[in-house]
Amino acid sequence: GQQLNQSPQSMFIQEGEDVSMNCTSSSIFNTWLWYKQDPGEGPVLLIALYKAGELTSNGRLTAQFGITRKDSFLNISASIPSDVGIYFCAGQLYGGSYIPTFGRGTSLIVHP
Amino acid sequence: EAQVTQNPRYLITVTGKKLTVTCSQNMNHEYMSWYRQDPGLGLRQIYYSMNVEVTDKGDVPEGYKVSRKEKRNFPLILESPSPNQTSLYFCASSSRIATSGGTDTQYFGPGTRLTVL
Repeated sequence: GQQLNQSPQSMFIQEGEDVSMNCTSSSIFNTWLWYKQDPGEGPVLLIALYKAGELTSNGRLTAQFGITRKDSFLNISASIPSDVGIYFCAGQLYGGSYIPTFGRGTSLIVHP
Repeated sequence: EAQVTQNPRYLITVTGKKLTVTCSQNMNHEYMSWYRQDPGLGLRQIYYSMNVEVTDKGDVPEGYKVSRKEKRNFPLILESPSPNQTSLYFCASSSRIATSGGTDTQYFGPGTRLTVL
């Protein structure tokens, strides 16, 4: 099955720094989703994007739906220790099973 | 409270001993699915169900079975577990309707960590 290319695989940053991660696909999607997974928990949806070019914010998080519909970006500003976790992108194509295809995740570690 | 529950949360078993991991959701969702999560591989879909009595294979269905006799429950069955099925398993559910402005969000359960010796 298809998987998305998510990068970077891991990030080690200092508290207060900004973070950027992205996902690319060989095929287009109608929806891009960004999830965060805390240790020992299931993924939780952070941001959903529905239109090419859309830019959406959720607090310190900002995500964009790439204009080609084949990529998406997530930025975290002024990182804090509780941002630690694994971030997953997921692409979804309507008309199919409505089940997302997930990236392999970006592991974020924030040093105080 | 809207939630997806899984049981057990942790399970250690031996090769060949049949097991079932239960999943239940209280949101009246039509779509349910099972994923396994392995280091460096992200989430890979095992099976999904679009409604009662409607199931289909995901990306990695080998060695697994599912059933959907009721809308709220979607158990994952390992008839003869093997060590390569040691993994973290997540059940998820979502509403069927997916529009350009709607949130077809998948709600994930807390996970079941399975070890097959």
